[in-house]
Amino acid sequence: EAGVAQSPRYKIIEKRQSVAFWCNPISGHATLYWYQQILGQGPKLLIQFQNNGVVDDSQLPKDRFSAERLKGVDSTLKIQPAKLEDSAVYLCASSLSQQGDGSGELFFGEGSRLTVL
Amino acid sequence: AQSVTQLDSQVPVFEEAPVELRCNYSSSVSVYLFWYVQYPNQGLQLLLKYLSGSTLVKSINGFEAEFNKSQTSFHLRKPSVHISDTAEYFCAVTRNTGGFKTIFGAGTRLFVKA
Repeated sequence: EAGVAQSPRYKIIEKRQSVAFWCNPISGHATLYWYQQILGQGPKLLIQFQNNGVVDDSQLPKDRFSAERLKGVDSTLKIQPAKLEDSAVYLCASSLSQQGDGSGELFFGEGSRLTVL
Repeated sequence: AQSVTQLDSQVPVFEEAPVELRCNYSSSVSVYLFWYVQYPNQGLQLLLKYLSGSTLVKSINGFEAEFNKSQTSFHLRKPSVHISDTAEYFCAVTRNTGGFKTIFGAGTRLFVKA
């Protein structure tokens, strides 16, 4: 079974530039998550999708971050314009939960490491 | 709102010694509890989880965790660690109503010394 795929693995940009990350979840997984993991901290949930609808985006800085999950499969996370404090690993995860009952295991991709100079 | 506190940022321990990684949570509703592990240069993966039933849950590689509702804790233990257990361990909680958001603790880095 293929795992969660993310790209790019690494990205270096200047502040005020834009960047986009892509995630392809495990086939059949209804729920998709984007987390931000700053060095030395635990993953922080940015946005959670159930199929192609947003369940929670309360922690997403909407003035600069956007995410979409068209057709309920793969997803993109965009940052525009980037700030120095956006330097982090962006993790995508998916779970099987059809009803969003939260009891399912989260399967993580290897992450996309962003460095903002 | 829910939150997770991992009380130790780093835990150094000698090989074959026992270890306990502490996790406390707060939530206004019932939650599911998880431990995830991140080995060096790898992604996070599930170690074990508590959903309901027996409060003691075990992993295939000798770790166990006990859900203590009164103390709102879910500490992770292993009676004898190996060098290969060196990793970062994250405690996570998912509220089981209203959105099912999963929140992670800051992580505990376990370093096993020979």
